[in-house]
Amino acid sequence: GAGVSQSPSNKVTEKGKDVELRCDPISGHTALYWYRQSLGQGLEFLIYFQGNSAPDKSGLPSDRFSAERTGGSVSTLTIQRTQQEDSAVYLCASRLEPGRALNEQFFGPGTRLTVL
Amino acid sequence: AQSVAQPEDQVNVAEGNPLTVKCTYSVSGNPYLFWYVQYPNRGLQFLLKYITGDNLVKGSYGFEAEFNKSQTSFHLKKPSALVSDSALYFCAVRDDADSSYKLIFGSGTRLLVRP
Repeated sequence: GAGVSQSPSNKVTEKGKDVELRCDPISGHTALYWYRQSLGQGLEFLIYFQGNSAPDKSGLPSDRFSAERTGGSVSTLTIQRTQQEDSAVYLCASRLEPGRALNEQFFGPGTRLTVL
Repeated sequence: AQSVAQPEDQVNVAEGNPLTVKCTYSVSGNPYLFWYVQYPNRGLQFLLKYITGDNLVKGSYGFEAEFNKSQTSFHLKKPSALVSDSALYFCAVRDDADSSYKLIFGSGTRLLVRP
């Protein structure tokens, strides 16, 4: 399909392990966002990519969280030494052109992360 | 600082009746406003947006929203609710002063339409 895809759909890990979450944006979308949806915090912004650079990382909750984007396409969100409070649904979104403010973001189905 | 408030955790309405889901916002610049809907185990689906122009915005699935600048509100409405409209609804705002164009979301309102 032509939408945003994310993998895996579900991830269960043990406390202290590292995890990688993947996002494939809509082809041609140069802006990419990661959000986190959790019971206690609602929907929170994590990081914004324009191309391969991340001019806004203000939402990353700690230095255990990092993200990269390669080739202006796929992005990976990495959480090191996972904690139980990291359990949430991680949503990725893409937008057509960052310079055109009128365009809405399109969201993927999310990755549900459970840290035991 | 940008913020969005959805004062109702849940809205209950009978099928065929009109529905309203409330949203108020706070931004430092001009607001760009959005409504998204989330069905169980699905991502967020875009419903409608207000950028500029007509205060009444029409979107997908018969939904509409009215931008009210003086009340800083952007309530979602539908004239006749369907059972299939039952889902979680999020209001979001983007401040045109924010160059990342990130969305700030409300806490969500669960809509339950009973047959």
